[in-house]
Amino acid sequence: DTGVSQDPRHKITKRGQNVTFRCDPISEHNRLYWYRQTLGQGPEFLTYFQNEAQLEKSRLLSDRFSAERPKGSFSTLEIQRTEQGDSAMYLCASSLPGRADNNEKLFFGSGTQLSVL
Amino acid sequence: AQSVTQLGSHVSVSEGALVLLRCNYSSSVPPYLFWYVQYPNQGLQLLLKYTTGATLVKGINGFEAEFKKSETSFHLTKPSAHMSDAAEYFCAVSRGSTLGRLYFGRGTQLTVWP
Repeated sequence: DTGVSQDPRHKITKRGQNVTFRCDPISEHNRLYWYRQTLGQGPEFLTYFQNEAQLEKSRLLSDRFSAERPKGSFSTLEIQRTEQGDSAMYLCASSLPGRADNNEKLFFGSGTQLSVL
Repeated sequence: AQSVTQLGSHVSVSEGALVLLRCNYSSSVPPYLFWYVQYPNQGLQLLLKYTTGATLVKGINGFEAEFKKSETSFHLTKPSAHMSDAAEYFCAVSRGSTLGRLYFGRGTQLTVWP
């Protein structure tokens, strides 16, 4: 168990550029979540996958955001035409729900810090 | 709708003193409640959770929390603070059908003085 891995750790980009982040969940975890955390706030849910299916998207996920999990393993989060308001820590988490829903436990990665200049 | 309010964005205690971090929630359904801790440059780590059953929940590192439905609270306590407890703590609530779909509070930064 190597934990949830996110790449890159830091990304600095200019406004209007596209960026892509990658998340590698813990092996065999079939659920994968993306959250966003801005300074002074708690994490906010963006979207989640069960295997390769994207099951829920937050209203925070504007048309400029897209997430994929093509083979049910790693996931990518792309932001097109970045804006300064996109500057945040993007967190990924994975889980393997048990037979009972209340056994689900999330494991978070260390996040990708995005700075849009 | 689900929401979480953490009272106090910063809490300072002396080593050995009681730690009390406050959390109140609102939920349209019976909630599942969580406390997470975030150390610098590390991912969020689950401290404890309440889903069903006993309302006093014990977690890792000597922390515990009590679910009080009448007060809509889920305060986090530890009898004796340690320097290593310094971190940011987040309370979260879930609707329950998908425990990973969490609504977080703003967080409380805990400082422990020697």
